[in-house]
Amino acid sequence: IAGITQAPTSQILAAGRRMTLRCTQDMRHNAMYWYRQDLGLGLRLIHYSNTAGTTGKGEVPDGYSVSRANTDDFPLTLASAVPSQTSVYFCASSRSGRADEQFFGPGTRLTVL
Amino acid sequence: GQNIDQPTEMTATEGAIVQINCTYQTSGFNGLFWYQQHAGEAPTFLSYNVLDGLEEKGRFSSFLSRSKGYSYLLLKELQMKDSASYLCAVGEGSNQAGTALIFGKGTTLSVSS
Repeated sequence: IAGITQAPTSQILAAGRRMTLRCTQDMRHNAMYWYRQDLGLGLRLIHYSNTAGTTGKGEVPDGYSVSRANTDDFPLTLASAVPSQTSVYFCASSRSGRADEQFFGPGTRLTVL
Repeated sequence: GQNIDQPTEMTATEGAIVQINCTYQTSGFNGLFWYQQHAGEAPTFLSYNVLDGLEEKGRFSSFLSRSKGYSYLLLKELQMKDSASYLCAVGEGSNQAGTALIFGKGTTLSVSS
């Protein structure tokens, strides 16, 4: 693994289903983030984690949950997907939770029908 | 609250110079970032300003005025590959809480020959 990876690349999901988007980084970065990107709205922060064991809510956290059991992984879970969660999801990481450059994963394109 | 404004679209020709402006209103300012995003790809870091003034990096420069809540990204000697979206992002938050990036909606730059 080099950098930050996400899985799956894309997914079509029925409304009401549970879905976990995976994110893994091998840069030993302390901070990790989940964004969604929608046309006309830009990138919006869903949840973040400044260090393993801690998480925080971003701008649009409703309907999503995260965990940070270790440094490398930061999964995002949709407990019961709704069509408004159709979006492109980007995971990112940075060396610290301070004002550092964030490195983005390739994204997951999720469609909820 | 926070508000970040940048033009939606800009066009320019190869070899020209283009300036993309960004104005912001936010609390707990912790730096201003510019990212480049090609269609269908992840954002990549271009620049970071935390103090007033100009930061130059090759063909790209970024300027910040904290008192005016204003930044610009200057692209010189434009190339076709510079056609992309340019995202202005403000770092917000205290050192203790970490820094969240609040993104503008992005400026789509089209470079023609």
